[in-house]
Amino acid sequence: AQSVTQLDSHVSVSEGTPVLLRCNYSSSYSPSLFWYVQHPNKGLQLLLKYTSAATLVKGINGFEAEFKKSETSFHLTKPSAHMSDAAEYFCVVSERGQAGTALIFGKGTTLSVSS
Amino acid sequence: EPEVTQTPSHQVTQMGQEVILRCVPISNHLYFYWYRQILGQKVEFLVSFYNNEISEKSEIFDDQFSVERPDGSNFTLKIRSTKLEDSAMYFCASSEETSFVGDTQYFGPGTRLTVL
Repeated sequence: AQSVTQLDSHVSVSEGTPVLLRCNYSSSYSPSLFWYVQHPNKGLQLLLKYTSAATLVKGINGFEAEFKKSETSFHLTKPSAHMSDAAEYFCVVSERGQAGTALIFGKGTTLSVSS
Repeated sequence: EPEVTQTPSHQVTQMGQEVILRCVPISNHLYFYWYRQILGQKVEFLVSFYNNEISEKSEIFDDQFSVERPDGSNFTLKIRSTKLEDSAMYFCASSEETSFVGDTQYFGPGTRLTVL
């Protein structure tokens, strides 16, 4: 069965410093992997998606993630944090990479950004 | 940019009462989903819906839950007899039909359900 482990429940960075949010996955299939972000009192917004086209995926707001099959990892990075990046981030795997199937969420990582 | 909308944003109900949560998916999407997030826990899949029938459901989605597409725009989740443990944020999502991008699901802002 598919599963997702987000290795840090809380990450704190200073504005302008790099961000690293770690995610490991388990999947029996060739997975589709996603990162979603949830700002306070807002819905879940798609940051980026991996679908096997390229291992380095670029998303919105300067975020990117690298798919490493050998390490079963899909870590999210950003070179320079901004105050507006403070939010909850979810690593997500699609069970069968097709419409209609369940997304499996990690527990989430809260990113705090200080000035 | 098209987005999924949900109403109400917050619903308070008494235990044992029926509630209906409403969602308007993105207009050209054909797959619809409900997820829930109990406070402090993971976002969990409840059900997916396509062509007026359930395509997949989780163990959580028992007989007290039902979904419906009553018209061409709305998608609803009904909880027949609410329990305290149904208190959660409920998210609606939708996706396109095509196999390449169909697993990209777009989420609404959620409805916070509080059962007293």
